[in-house]
Amino acid sequence: NAGVTQTPKFQVLKTGQSMTLQCAQDMNHNSMYWYRQDPGMGLRLIYYSASEGTTDKGEVPNGYNVSRLNKREFSLRLESAAPSQTSVYFCASSEWGTPNTEAFFGQGTRLTVV
Amino acid sequence: QQQVKQSPQSLIVQKGGISIINCAYENTAFDYFPWYQQFPGKGPALLIAIRPDVSEKKEGRFTISFNKSAKQFSLHIMDSQPGDSATYFCAASHAGGTSYGKLTFGQGTILTVHP
Repeated sequence: NAGVTQTPKFQVLKTGQSMTLQCAQDMNHNSMYWYRQDPGMGLRLIYYSASEGTTDKGEVPNGYNVSRLNKREFSLRLESAAPSQTSVYFCASSEWGTPNTEAFFGQGTRLTVV
Repeated sequence: QQQVKQSPQSLIVQKGGISIINCAYENTAFDYFPWYQQFPGKGPALLIAIRPDVSEKKEGRFTISFNKSAKQFSLHIMDSQPGDSATYFCAASHAGGTSYGKLTFGQGTILTVHP
């Protein structure tokens, strides 16, 4: 049981380049999330998908887009990377709406924009 | 707007000591308060969580204390071990309405337990 799998684990981009971070979960969860982690800031929500077919903005959505491809997969796209997007990105999933609302996180993608 | 404030930013304790991390929240709609533990190079993992209908929850050496009137909650790690050295995040969310399980995190505390 892999849980939440993110690819790639590391990435270096030049300013203005684009890339897509991939996330897949095998727990049949309905909700999925993208967070970014920066020193001293904790984790901040970028976008989320409450259920398959829906996506919505979180706290820091500017510069990002997302796609909920199916129930398992939720991707995050940077159309034109900026140095301010240097961060560690975490995908998470949960079975929101049930008594067990634990969020499970992937191992993260460390992105550097130069 | 930081809705969950966590302190201290870093904490050093000796093996066998008690580690205490504090969080305060602003949104009174929050009704689920988890603590996450993160080791270097890994994603956060749920450590323990509490709902506001109880004032304390204990799981092994880890205890959450919750003060609803003060809008504060804390994590106590008893008999701290070097293996507890990690970053700890408090978080909050609310179960109903349009929360959809979104978590609001504190800033994190880097805990170092010296042998």
